[in-house]
Amino acid sequence: GENVEQHPSTLSVQEGDSAVIKCTYSDSASNYFPWYKQELGKRPQLIIDIRSNVGEKKDQRIAVTLNKTAKHFSLHITETQPEDSAVYFCAAFNSGGSNYKLTFGKGTLLTVNP
Amino acid sequence: NAGVTQTPKFQVLKTGQSMTLQCAQDMNHNSMYWYRQDPGMGLRLIYYSASEGTTDKGEVPNGYNVSRLNKREFSLRLESAAPSQTSVYFCASSPRTGPDTQYFGPGTRLTVL
Repeated sequence: GENVEQHPSTLSVQEGDSAVIKCTYSDSASNYFPWYKQELGKRPQLIIDIRSNVGEKKDQRIAVTLNKTAKHFSLHITETQPEDSAVYFCAAFNSGGSNYKLTFGKGTLLTVNP
Repeated sequence: NAGVTQTPKFQVLKTGQSMTLQCAQDMNHNSMYWYRQDPGMGLRLIYYSASEGTTDKGEVPNGYNVSRLNKREFSLRLESAAPSQTSVYFCASSPRTGPDTQYFGPGTRLTVL
């Protein structure tokens, strides 16, 4: 099955700095890569996603890049703010055979220090 | 539009007891999912239902059963709870069976003593 590795597990930055979280996946058949943000005690919520036919996608201060050849994708947050502090999860969607499911990385705890 | 709802919010069980976690969505989504979240382990898929009338095992199905009661509701049952099932359980739904946004419920925090 699919295996998603996420690094780093914790990341601390100063307000205004950029933050980068990286993920690798194992199954070349995976074709959809969402990122979820989970604030303490809350549910995960989608912040951005990218499909396998696209190399980069941007939404204001957030961007995701995908390198299909290397099987890795990254989340970039610019001009970080204290409200960006949360756990971020990457995931890979595999629809091989009769399976339709997301495999999540183990998460990155991002702390933005004011 | 309530989105995805889950009951109960909190539950404490003794080893060997059974219970059912309920999940409902009002967005007319086709697919529904049950995950468990443990510290440092991310979200792991227990079971999913790609469409009404179908269910499939995920990564960690042992000790659990599911029922897709209708298009709106997807329940998770623990027949004989074990301390290893102490976790936060999230239900999610997505509009279609293929790659699409998943919308999560608020979660159920379960403790098995």
